[in-house]
Amino acid sequence: EAQVTQNPRYLITVTGKKLTVTCSQNMNHEYMSWYRQDPGLGLRQIYYSMNVEVTDKGDVPEGYKVSRKEKRNFPLILESPSPNQTSLYFCASRQSPFGQLNEKLFFGSGTQLSVL
Amino acid sequence: GQSLEQPSEVTAVEGAIVQINCTYQTSGFYGLSWYQQHDGGAPTFLSYNALDGLEETGRFSSFLSRSDSYGYLLLQELQMKDSASYFCAVRWNRDDKIIFGKGTRLHILP
Repeated sequence: EAQVTQNPRYLITVTGKKLTVTCSQNMNHEYMSWYRQDPGLGLRQIYYSMNVEVTDKGDVPEGYKVSRKEKRNFPLILESPSPNQTSLYFCASRQSPFGQLNEKLFFGSGTQLSVL
Repeated sequence: GQSLEQPSEVTAVEGAIVQINCTYQTSGFYGLSWYQQHDGGAPTFLSYNALDGLEETGRFSSFLSRSDSYGYLLLQELQMKDSASYFCAVRWNRDDKIIFGKGTRLHILP
């Protein structure tokens, strides 16, 4: 089954304790992205990657790191989490290059993060 | 900067038709997408418009007018399961910094 898998589904941590949220897709997609969703603010893009070893900042990259060492995996790293990073996080992937058939973003099921 | 505007909430009756509008800044626009998200779920892709006109997929249609920097999602024969949030999303200048609107919460009355 074609899917984007995120882990964990729920995570509670404390300020300053490094954490990683994993994301993996089995569709051989070149493009992957991370979003955070907060009430009233919609989905905001954190980082995205066009291919292996290629990453770019989205609109809200501060406090986050990513890496793309393999095509299928795109982990999100919070080196020193703070309470304002409490949010619902989604990983997404899509085929590239661009084109109408490739516009569909496939989303993971989300990670609810609470930083105390 | 880049921004999208869509209504925060819309209410309609089961079996009726509802339209959710989305306006965007013109500069560098590449295409408009729509996503549906049920409470506790992930967004799922509904449609995409790069050119002016109407795209139809079953009960859902999406429209784009590039000259008016405006698009809408049309839902027909509303069902209770259509109660969800709907997001428009725009990609600018062929890059992948995709911007989402803040979402429209659709309430459906029996």
